[in-house]
Amino acid sequence: DAGVTQSPTHLIKTRGQQVTLRCSPKSGHDTVSWYQQALGQGPQFIFQYYEEEERQRGNFPDRFSGHQFPNYSSELNVNALLLGDSALYLCASSLQRGERTEAFFGQGTRLTVV
Amino acid sequence: GQNIDQPTEMTATEGAIVQINCTYQTSGFNGLFWYQQHAGEAPTFLSYNVLDGLEEKGRFSSFLSRSKGYSYLLLKELQMKDSASYLCAVKDSNYQLIWGAGTKLIIKP
Repeated sequence: DAGVTQSPTHLIKTRGQQVTLRCSPKSGHDTVSWYQQALGQGPQFIFQYYEEEERQRGNFPDRFSGHQFPNYSSELNVNALLLGDSALYLCASSLQRGERTEAFFGQGTRLTVV
Repeated sequence: GQNIDQPTEMTATEGAIVQINCTYQTSGFNGLFWYQQHAGEAPTFLSYNVLDGLEEKGRFSSFLSRSKGYSYLLLKELQMKDSASYLCAVKDSNYQLIWGAGTKLIIKP
């Protein structure tokens, strides 16, 4: 059973560019959440997708957008990259229903903006 | 606002016991999770508490007091591989995970 997979694992971009990160959830999961984790900090919630719609959003600007496909996989897009966007981007999948639905994380994409 | 507090860093000795505390103030409560995160890796699930009391799982135990907005993770018989960050997260009324910044645990021989 494949867990959560993310691609690419590492990425270097230039300020002002755009980037797309991808995530395939754990088999059987229908909800994908994206997090940004700066060095030495806990994960910060960006948004969550369920049934191909953005259901919840954290305190991130509109430069951060996403999409969920019918097979539950998801993309995170960041436009007009800033140096401060450099971080580990984590994707977590879970089941929408139920309380005891722990999130399973992918290995993350390390984004460096230069 | 919603807030979760954990100590930034703790140091303990191999073979000893350590308790990592977490206090929270959230909009609603639908469970508290502890995750372990080794440097450069994804967080992995350790424990879940939704009712008051102690949940034991091998060397790790987690305690919850909802009235006090407080939890702790207890690690016994510490091993060098336990050196990691420990993240406390609470599911709020919208079932959104609210994360603490994590506690970096350093194990010394």
